[in-house]
Amino acid sequence: DQQVKQNSPSLSVQEGRISILNCDYTNSMFDYFLWYKKYPAEGPTFLISISSIKDKNEDGRFTVFLNKSAKHLSLHIVPSQPGDSAVYFCAAGRGGKLIFGQGTELSVKP
Amino acid sequence: SAVISQKPSRDICQRGTSLTIQCQVDSQVTMMFWYRQQPGQSLTLIATANQGSEATYESGFVIDKFPISRPNLTFSTLTVSNLSPEDSSIYLCSVGQVTYEQYFGPGTRLTVT
Repeated sequence: DQQVKQNSPSLSVQEGRISILNCDYTNSMFDYFLWYKKYPAEGPTFLISISSIKDKNEDGRFTVFLNKSAKHLSLHIVPSQPGDSAVYFCAAGRGGKLIFGQGTELSVKP
Repeated sequence: SAVISQKPSRDICQRGTSLTIQCQVDSQVTMMFWYRQQPGQSLTLIATANQGSEATYESGFVIDKFPISRPNLTFSTLTVSNLSPEDSSIYLCSVGQVTYEQYFGPGTRLTVT
């Protein structure tokens, strides 16, 4: 049972435009959500997180939105840069542990 | 955030053998985790490495196959035993904080032939 899903395996965006990465979850008991970025041959790098009691968190070019009624979160990157090209994983936390989605490969074209 | 290193970075092993992966952190941490990422798949938690006691394993993972040691607050090892081609994956360690943020090592790419 996949509790955290990223339904888009890939996304291509023009430099300077907005990138929107989506994630759905099934367990309403998750109390924290996170986004990670992963380059090839490196471990995932923490990007941004949001508590389940909030609906938005912003850090520079990165904003995470949480819609608890829809069990959906999204990551917005504005403006997108070629260096943002990577695989993005969403993760949901409960009981001190994280469950990860399958990842979305973002490609930002110059 | 902590700086985490893993050894080896990659290895090719024959089936039936074992590989031990080391994870070193530059500061003392309470929570350490081991993950597996199979080709094209997500990260799956194998176990939580507890200092001074046995690791806590997730469903589908057992100590005989994935023995873990945690002798102190900066170091842990994961052994993948009796290797089969299905064990070919990237193995990652991470360290955790209260707010669920985890910081990952660079990973160990294992290929079993």
